[in-house]
Amino acid sequence: KAGVTQTPRYLIKTRGQQVTLSCSPISGHRSVSWYQQTPGQGLQFLFEYFSETQRNKGNFPGRFSGRQFSNSRSEMNVSTLELGDSALYLCASSPTQSSYNSPLHFGNGTRLTVT
Amino acid sequence: DQQVKQNSPSLSVQEGRISILNCDYTNSMFDYFLWYKKYPAEGPTFLISISSIKDKNEDGRFTVFLNKSAKHLSLHIVPSQPGDSAVYFCAASPFLIQGAQKLVFGQGTRLTINP
Repeated sequence: KAGVTQTPRYLIKTRGQQVTLSCSPISGHRSVSWYQQTPGQGLQFLFEYFSETQRNKGNFPGRFSGRQFSNSRSEMNVSTLELGDSALYLCASSPTQSSYNSPLHFGNGTRLTVT
Repeated sequence: DQQVKQNSPSLSVQEGRISILNCDYTNSMFDYFLWYKKYPAEGPTFLISISSIKDKNEDGRFTVFLNKSAKHLSLHIVPSQPGDSAVYFCAASPFLIQGAQKLVFGQGTRLTINP
């Protein structure tokens, strides 16, 4: 079974631009979550989608948005990029909505650098 | 406000000895706890979890202990092996009415096993 696939692996963008990151979950998984990892901050929750609906959102500005398609694939968009958005963006999937008995399976992430 | 804290950024242990990684949390609503392991250039991998109704869960060389009154959990690795060298993240999940995924992660502890 293929794991969670994130594309692209690396991105370099300029301040003010926008970026779209893509995530394909494990086949059969309907929940997709996005996390931002920065040095010293650990992983911070961005949002979670289940059956094309955003079920929960973290404390990030409105420049961060996402969506999920009918095939469970998900995209994350960041508009008006700032230097502080440079981070590793991780996508994770699970079969159900709950953490219980279905731990998240993470992709290898997209490393975004904003210059 | 860091609801999940891993106060040791790094830990060095000799091969064959016990590794103990610690994690503290502040939110009483957390009722499910997980440990993830992360190698460079890879996404986090689920290691072991524990529900708040238990105080110990064991899986091979890995044991997680939960002390609810102290809001503290720890991961014990016995015996430690060179392949255990990685960054370890503690994560907690609150009970959410909608059952949506929202893990809160600590900052991570870099474990180095010395031969």
